[in-house]
Amino acid sequence: EAAVTQSPRNKVAVTGGKVTLSCNQTNNHNNMYWYRQDTGHGLRLIHYSYGAGSTEKGDIPDGYKASRPSQENFSLILELATPSQTSVYFCASGDALGGYAEQFFGPGTRLTVL
Amino acid sequence: AQSVTQPDARVTVSEGASLQLRCKYSYSATPYLFWYVQYPRQGLQLLLKYYSGDPVVQGVNSFEAEFSKSNSSFHLQKASVHWSDSAVYFCALPGTGGYKVVFGSGTRLLVSP
Repeated sequence: EAAVTQSPRNKVAVTGGKVTLSCNQTNNHNNMYWYRQDTGHGLRLIHYSYGAGSTEKGDIPDGYKASRPSQENFSLILELATPSQTSVYFCASGDALGGYAEQFFGPGTRLTVL
Repeated sequence: AQSVTQPDARVTVSEGASLQLRCKYSYSATPYLFWYVQYPRQGLQLLLKYYSGDPVVQGVNSFEAEFSKSNSSFHLQKASVHWSDSAVYFCALPGTGGYKVVFGSGTRLLVSP
């Protein structure tokens, strides 16, 4: 029933390894977003997409890639994970409602990079 | 540039007491405004939204917020809080260029028994 799901929910990775975080939405929204949340920094936008095949850089894209193969799926890829990327990652979907600020969030993925 | 300020990082209230969480915004026109809530180990959930019209908007779980253009504010209120309201609350509005959201820094609410 949940409209935005994320997998995995928890992930432990090694420095230099590749990590892929997945997001699926059943809202049929055009736009999808990846955020990270850290104490003291709030929510920061990493990448976003306004439809299948598109990805755009957000405010902190360095060290991250994104992929949107379909309307429903949006992935965040860390090619060479570093300890500074330890964080909680949230995916969200939305459309033009409220100037794009009405968004629906997934439950988050807790990533630890050792 | 658009901005949102939540001046209170933490608020503690007793169960059954009334609540006000403050939000001030900066925006060139009348904005869309939102309150989101984040319970522990969960994502953000939309609590309520203001698009236009009646400045008092109702949300889920008996929360309401009042928009004030003269004060550039959108304060969240609840008449009687429950322990389950303990969470982090974010005020938000649309960012520039579309597709983005400007979030406040959040207010952590602790409801004590």
